[in-house]
Amino acid sequence: KAGVTQTPRYLIKTRGQQVTLSCSPISGHRSVSWYQQTPGQGLQFLFEYFSETQRNKGNFPGRFSGRQFSNSRSEMNVSTLELGDSALYLCASSLATLGRGGTDTQYFGPGTRLTVL
Amino acid sequence: QKEVEQDPGPLSVPEGAIVSLNCTYSNSAFQYFMWYRQYSRKGPELLMYTYSSGNKEDGRFTAQVDKSSKYISLFIRDSQPSDSATYLCAMSPIHGSGNTGKLIFGQGTTLQVKP
Repeated sequence: KAGVTQTPRYLIKTRGQQVTLSCSPISGHRSVSWYQQTPGQGLQFLFEYFSETQRNKGNFPGRFSGRQFSNSRSEMNVSTLELGDSALYLCASSLATLGRGGTDTQYFGPGTRLTVL
Repeated sequence: QKEVEQDPGPLSVPEGAIVSLNCTYSNSAFQYFMWYRQYSRKGPELLMYTYSSGNKEDGRFTAQVDKSSKYISLFIRDSQPSDSATYLCAMSPIHGSGNTGKLIFGQGTTLQVKP
């Protein structure tokens, strides 16, 4: 079974621009979570989508947004880029045991490395 | 104070050594505990997954959870140069409203195993 894929792998943008990152989950996985990884803050949760709905959101400004399509693929968008947005953006997918307690094992993609100049 | 604390290292050991990696946490709601391995320029790879307290073994890897002390460990036996990577602990509470899909990560410990 193919793993989580993310495109593009590398991006270079300038301040003020916007960017869209894409994530294709493992086949059959319905939940997609996004994380930002930086040397200073480590891995921080951005948001999670399930059945095209955002179920959970981390503590990031509104410039960070996302969406999920009917095939579970997800995109995240960052508008008005700032230097501090330079990071590795990771997508993780899971089966999602909705409403049954427990938790879902998350499988990560290789990430998109965003550099903001 | 962060919810999950992990010594970033780096930790350098000779090949064949037993490695001990640890995390402490403050949120008593955490019930699920994971260890991920991340090689340079790659995404995190799930190594171990445990629920509540106790031990779990998988090959050369053993994960321990002590909820009374809010302390988790990952032991690597017979360490190999290929184990050189960053090891991240991650945790989550039982799924409920407002906490789905969110893992809380430690900072990660960089491990180098020297031949």
